Amino acid sequence: SQQGEEDPQALSIQEGENATMNCSYKTSINNLQWYRQNSGRGLVHLILIRSNEREKHSGRLRVTLDTSKKSSSLLITASRAADTASYFCATVSGNTDKLIFGTGTRLQVFP
Amino acid sequence: EAQVTQNPRYLITVTGKKLTVTCSQNMNHEYMSWYRQDPGLGLRQIYYSMNVEVTDKGDVPEGYKVSRKEKRNFPLILESPSPNQTSLYFCASKETNPYEQYFGPGTRLTVT
Repeated sequence: SQQGEEDPQALSIQEGENATMNCSYKTSINNLQWYRQNSGRGLVHLILIRSNEREKHSGRLRVTLDTSKKSSSLLITASRAADTASYFCATVSGNTDKLIFGTGTRLQVFP
Repeated sequence: EAQVTQNPRYLITVTGKKLTVTCSQNMNHEYMSWYRQDPGLGLRQIYYSMNVEVTDKGDVPEGYKVSRKEKRNFPLILESPSPNQTSLYFCASKETNPYEQYFGPGTRLTVT
């Protein structure tokens, strides 16, 4: 079952611009995580935000979480060509370790 | 280097021919999991294991088997592969909640 839906499905921007991706989910969560996947490769963890947190930063990444709206956003500031990848949100609910992934946003950053 | 390894990385096989995809992690993680990734469907969990000799079904377990005889290894077994199992498969491991998962590089499987 899929928990998250990401918006937009695809995003194209120029280097230096900011990229914002949104994730909506259906059930209450313990935490929400964002992963990056370069084409055909494994996923790399970017950032984790707990259900009692509203915002978190890591380098050029900023994640927000609104549990009342069951949504999260990932902002990449001052994007680079190397940021070109697919980005997935994934939620953890209940007392399990199970990650439920969204369908992803494909980001293309042009030099 | 901390990592999750999978073998093979690419595999083309025929319907019904049993195959095993190996997964190994060197981080002493208790939790391991298998996912398949299909276009438009994202990643879906096949099986997971909370520890040695403890495995459980994920969302799409039909047609797959797993075993966890050692902490570091978590092989995925397709006893009788079918074309609808053509997919990109990922193994992952992690410490107990709420830590992030570490993913292997993926195995692209084609069943003809």
